[in-house]
Amino acid sequence: DTGVSQNPRHKITKRGQNVTFRCDPISEHNRLYWYRQTLGQGPEFLTYFQNEAQLEKSRLLSDRFSAERPKGSFSTLEIQRTEQGDSAMYLCASSSEREQYFGPGTRLTVT
Amino acid sequence: GNSVTQMEGPVTLSEEAFLTINCTYTATGYPSLFWYVQYPGEGLQLLLKATKADDKGSNKGFEATYRKETTSFHLEKGSVQVSDSAVYFCALSGNTGNQFYFGTGTSLTVIP
Repeated sequence: DTGVSQNPRHKITKRGQNVTFRCDPISEHNRLYWYRQTLGQGPEFLTYFQNEAQLEKSRLLSDRFSAERPKGSFSTLEIQRTEQGDSAMYLCASSSEREQYFGPGTRLTVT
Repeated sequence: GNSVTQMEGPVTLSEEAFLTINCTYTATGYPSLFWYVQYPGEGLQLLLKATKADDKGSNKGFEATYRKETTSFHLEKGSVQVSDSAVYFCALSGNTGNQFYFGTGTSLTVIP
C-alpha cells in the first residue's frame, strides 16, 4: 500500500455548485479523518469515522457538508451549494491507533 | 477544551544553527503529542510523537520531550540543514484518539 490517496488533487468550481472529494485510506486502517486547512493555518478537524460509523463531527461541518464511508474503506466528502469561504485544502488522514497518516489533499477553489 | 499554541514564524536560520520551536498545549486527561512536518508541495508527515509524560520522541535529529508540568512539547534540533526547510505543526490527540488538534504551524527556512 502506498499510503493515503485523495482525488481530485485540485478542483475549481463556481459558487453554488456541488463538489465531491474522495479519500482512499491505508487499507488496514479502520479510522479515517477529514480536515480543512486554509493558508497559514493548521488543519482543522471536520469529521471522523471508525470503520463505516461517523463518530465525531465538528461544528465547522455545516449542513452543506456531508461525509460518508459506506463500506468502511474509502470515504467521500460532499459540499453542496459551495461558497467562496469553502476555498481551502481538504485533507484526509487514516490511522490504526493514535498515529495518523495524511493524504496529499484536495485543493478547492470556489470562484 | 483541547488546544495547541505554537511559536509564530517565520523562522530563518543559517545551516548548522540550533533550532527550537515552542509548543504548549491545553488538554483534559492524557493526550498524545505529535510534531508533523510539511515540505513544500507535499502533504503532512509525522515527524515524531510522545504518548505519555516524560517521553521523548525523536526522528531525523529532531527531538521533543512531553513535559506535563509545563504542558509543553518543544521541538529541537542541534544542527539544521537546508533540507529541513518546511512548515512544522504541533498537534495533540485526546484520550480517545478521535480528534486531533493542530497548531497554526511554524515556517522554517534554513539558508546555506
